[in-house]
Amino acid sequence: DARVTQTPRDKVTEMGQEVTMRCQPILGHNTVFWYRQTMMQGLELLAYFRNRAPLDDSGMPKDRFSAEMPDATLATLKIQPSEPRDSAVYFCASADGGFYNEQFFGPGTRLTVL
Amino acid sequence: EDQVTQSPEALRLQEGESSSLNCSYTVSGLRGLFWYRQDPGKGPEFLFTLYSAGEEKEKERLKATLTKKESFLHITAPKPEDSATYLCAVHRGTDKLIFGTGTRLQVFP
Repeated sequence: DARVTQTPRDKVTEMGQEVTMRCQPILGHNTVFWYRQTMMQGLELLAYFRNRAPLDDSGMPKDRFSAEMPDATLATLKIQPSEPRDSAVYFCASADGGFYNEQFFGPGTRLTVL
Repeated sequence: EDQVTQSPEALRLQEGESSSLNCSYTVSGLRGLFWYRQDPGKGPEFLFTLYSAGEEKEKERLKATLTKKESFLHITAPKPEDSATYLCAVHRGTDKLIFGTGTRLQVFP
């Protein structure tokens, strides 16, 4: 049963610390998305990659967030330094193709920044 | 300003009581509209993509329709397992995806 995996599932950290979240997309999927979900803002697209190349990261605060795909089986989202307002659930999704194809979401990483 | 609005925010139905959820949008250059279902503590699950006004898609008890200004998700004879938050998202030009805040549906036996 192919699925997107994310680690860690939960992360509690203190303000100013670096946070790295990891995502393993479904094998063969060439498009990877990062989302953030909060009660106030709902679900927001942060960035997405196609064939490991970043296509759009305009939804991401550039000064502290960075997203990469070191290889086809790993996507990372890093926050440095973290702030309390970054507390949210971060989802990774993958798709075979672009926006129009079905996106499969991972279980999310719940981040709490104290 | 691009906007996606879902209504109602919450909906309580008796099992078997059909209803509709609404997603209205004001975006330039609509390229597609998506419906997702999200269960508590889980990631969204894809339901439908609609591309043009007049298009309809069905899946089990769900039917999604699209006009130039809004989309409806019709739920026919819902069951308790249909309880979830339903999200719509609009894909507009230059690859922007804008989500609504969702409708929380509860179906009681």
